[in-house]
Amino acid sequence: KAGVTQTPRYLIKTRGQQVTLSCSPISGHRSVSWYQQTPGQGLQFLFEYFSETQRNKGNFPGRFSGRQFSNSRSEMNVSTLELGDSALYLCASSLIGDFYGYTFGSGTRLTVV
Amino acid sequence: DAKTTQPTSMDCAEGRAANLPCNHSTISGNEYVYWYRQIHSQGPQYIIHGLKNNETNEMASLIITEDRKSSTLILPHATLRDTAVYYCIVRASQGAGGTSYGKLTFGQGTILTVHP
Repeated sequence: KAGVTQTPRYLIKTRGQQVTLSCSPISGHRSVSWYQQTPGQGLQFLFEYFSETQRNKGNFPGRFSGRQFSNSRSEMNVSTLELGDSALYLCASSLIGDFYGYTFGSGTRLTVV
Repeated sequence: DAKTTQPTSMDCAEGRAANLPCNHSTISGNEYVYWYRQIHSQGPQYIIHGLKNNETNEMASLIITEDRKSSTLILPHATLRDTAVYYCIVRASQGAGGTSYGKLTFGQGTILTVHP
């Protein structure tokens, strides 16, 4: 079956701009989580969506937001980009109640200049 | 979620067993031990998880001590493709008050290098 698809794979943006990243989960998976990975902070949880509702949120500023659509596809948005937002953004999907079956995508590499 | 401690790096010869330790001395009764790995430039990959019994699947074995304060991930016959960062994560089940929905708390992990 198809895996978790994240688009785009690479992105370069300028400080102050905003960006939207997309994640298509595995078919049938209703939970989508987002993570940020940087060399300094490692992998950090951003938020999780299930059935179009945000169920959990990490410790990130309000500039980071997300949403989930009825087909379970998810987007995350970062407004007013800062240099420190340069990172690999990873999306993971899982079945309802399937707390071990998180499947990650390959990520979107965002560079802010 | 309980904190985990792993060695920063380990080496292993190809074909030999790789034993990766993890300490989680503050683990609670309803918390599971999960292992993920991340190969360079890819997203993390689920390996195995367990509560208190030893577990085995096609990728690895997980040995959890009787007091559950530590565990060991065993790759029985390491290959060069097993070179990766291995993360030990302790996490409550999904229904534990909703605090763990979707959330995996990754530490720094262990960099495993498999040598020819």
